Amino acid sequence: QITLKESGPTVMKPTQTLTLTCTFSGFSLSTSDVAVAWIRQPPGKALEWVALIYWDNDKRYSPSLSSRLSLTKDTSKSQVVLTMTDMDPVDTATYYCALRGSEDGPFDSWGQGALVIVSS
Amino acid sequence: DIVMTQSPDSLAVSLGERATINCKSSRSLLYSANNKNYLAWYQQKPGQPPKLLISWASTRESGVPDRFSGSGSGTDFTLTISSLQAEDVAVYYCQQSYISWTFGQGTKVEMK
Repeated sequence: QITLKESGPTVMKPTQTLTLTCTFSGFSLSTSDVAVAWIRQPPGKALEWVALIYWDNDKRYSPSLSSRLSLTKDTSKSQVVLTMTDMDPVDTATYYCALRGSEDGPFDSWGQGALVIVSS
Repeated sequence: DIVMTQSPDSLAVSLGERATINCKSSRSLLYSANNKNYLAWYQQKPGQPPKLLISWASTRESGVPDRFSGSGSGTDFTLTISSLQAEDVAVYYCQQSYISWTFGQGTKVEMK
């Protein structure tokens, strides 16, 4: 059974750095073609892809956010960590991590999401 | 960037009637080398994460009722719910994975 769970702060102040952890089970991020993505959703709005890390540690970032993002993985802990600097109220959203289980495929499994509120 | 545009933004359908959602891509999602369309459909109910319904434009995921079907190729795609059930009330998103990853703006399906 595949599970993913996001963890991190719920409330932050503007300019702070967000660190979100995705802890997963049921698959390995060292398996060829596997990737884990971060996707966010502002309240009442659409989904937006943020970042993705491949099994071989290659990384992709949304062009609109790339200067603020960093991804790391710890295969032994089954974790992926997303860091986003200089948080702003417009970054208020539910942040999901999701598994891309096959080459070029869709996001097969999703975590429940972590709501992050940025407010002064 | 590939832009995904869904229509309509919302629709109200009677129980047992057909619901049709369209998704248009700003460029073709058909990869000629493998003849696959890099297009997926997701269902999101309130307070829940998205759930993958259909991949490669028309391949239904295991456990997804057969009243859900996907069609289309290239730049134009359709998700059809053949007979709307109460549990199908949700927001539906299309998503491309041809170049990077982008989602449509979502279509809200309600019961009439």
